[in-house]
Amino acid sequence: AQSVAQPEDQVNVAEGNPLTVKCTYSVSGNPYLFWYVQYPNRGLQFLLKYITGDNLVKGSYGFEAEFNKSQTSFHLKKPSALVSDSALYFCAVRDGNSGYSTLTFGKGTMLLVSP
Amino acid sequence: DADVTQTPRNRITKTGKRIMLECSQTKGHDRMYWYRQDPGLGLRLIYYSFDVKDINKGEISDGYSVSRQAQAKFSLSLESAIPNQTALYFCATSDGTSGRGETQYFGPGTRLLVL
Repeated sequence: AQSVAQPEDQVNVAEGNPLTVKCTYSVSGNPYLFWYVQYPNRGLQFLLKYITGDNLVKGSYGFEAEFNKSQTSFHLKKPSALVSDSALYFCAVRDGNSGYSTLTFGKGTMLLVSP
Repeated sequence: DADVTQTPRNRITKTGKRIMLECSQTKGHDRMYWYRQDPGLGLRLIYYSFDVKDINKGEISDGYSVSRQAQAKFSLSLESAIPNQTALYFCATSDGTSGRGETQYFGPGTRLLVL
């Protein structure tokens, strides 16, 4: 079985400060990890993914994520937050060893960036 | 993503009614998915289809059925709607030929209220 935990329901950060949204995972095979963002009244938009290779993955809108195998984590980061980054963020995992596995999503973390 | 469309965008129905939610995609992807989103629960997979002749149950398929009419169309039906099926429903697609790290692309969602 595969699972994802997003331990924080909400993260608050001031504009211009660095932000981190946490994600830990559990999967039996090699993890394929994804971050999505959902703006109000919109569908989910893909931000970035880790499949293999460099542990630091860069994605859209200045976001990046760091894969840490020993800590089974894939935290989303941005050096300088913008008010427009305020949204709901989802981490997701898939077992890379199975061709028929599907994505399992976390419960989501609401990011609020204050001016 | 404008390449994945869902109709209707909003729907109010009564307990016991049969309703159908439709999803169409112009991305040429072979794989399609239906999810529901509930506050605090994240996204949960209802059904998925890896090609036209393939239908699979997801985590929460009870009370739902699907039809894959063509590669580009995937419909979700609630045979007899009940209030706890009130949720935001998302369709997603992915390209299964791109490798196991394929990205899912989401439609804008259908907000369903069952009275």
